[in-house]
Amino acid sequence: AQTVTQSQPEMSVQEAETVTLSCTYDTSESDYYLFWYKQPPSRQMILVIRQEAYKQQNATENRFSVNFQKAAKSFSLKISDSQLGDAAMYFCAYSHSGNTPLVFGKGTRLSVIA
Amino acid sequence: DVKVTQSSRYLVKRTGEKVFLECVQDMDHENMFWYRQDPGLGLRLIYFSYDVKMKEKGDIPEGYSVSREKKERFSLILESASTNQTSMYLCASIDRPSQPQHFGDGTRLSIL
Repeated sequence: AQTVTQSQPEMSVQEAETVTLSCTYDTSESDYYLFWYKQPPSRQMILVIRQEAYKQQNATENRFSVNFQKAAKSFSLKISDSQLGDAAMYFCAYSHSGNTPLVFGKGTRLSVIA
Repeated sequence: DVKVTQSSRYLVKRTGEKVFLECVQDMDHENMFWYRQDPGLGLRLIYFSYDVKMKEKGDIPEGYSVSREKKERFSLILESASTNQTSMYLCASIDRPSQPQHFGDGTRLSIL
């Protein structure tokens, strides 16, 4: 069975600084999808970024980028120029074929310090 | 924009009650999912459905059942609610792998 591990239950970052959230996963599949979701106190799950495993290029969305290391099964999220609105729970997730159920990590709570 | 609507944001029920959590999506999505979210455990899959009247067990189906009579609606049923089912429940739907999975706002369920 696939598993997703987030080793940092909590992280903090100063406003305008950069922070990296870690995620590792375990799968025997060669084709799959990886995601980072953000859950602010409003509880709405918001897709931050998505990576297709067959694409070697790391995905980027504005201030958010990933470091996808397929051989190491690592998928870290980098947030640049952190803003107060970035404070939230961040979940790393895996999906075998993109529209199958997501396997989630336990989450990392990110605090942003003004 | 895709809208996934969960019928209740907060719900309080008593042990032994039969509880229905409703989820409706407005984009004709094939696939729908129910997750349970607990602090320190992340989100865990309860049940999912790929089509009307089809259902598949997820990782923690015990004590739950589901119903999908219409494509847009996916109901989660707690047959006899217990206190260990106090949790946040999230519904999601998706159409194609190229699209993101869309989530509802969640139902925070308390069983007393």
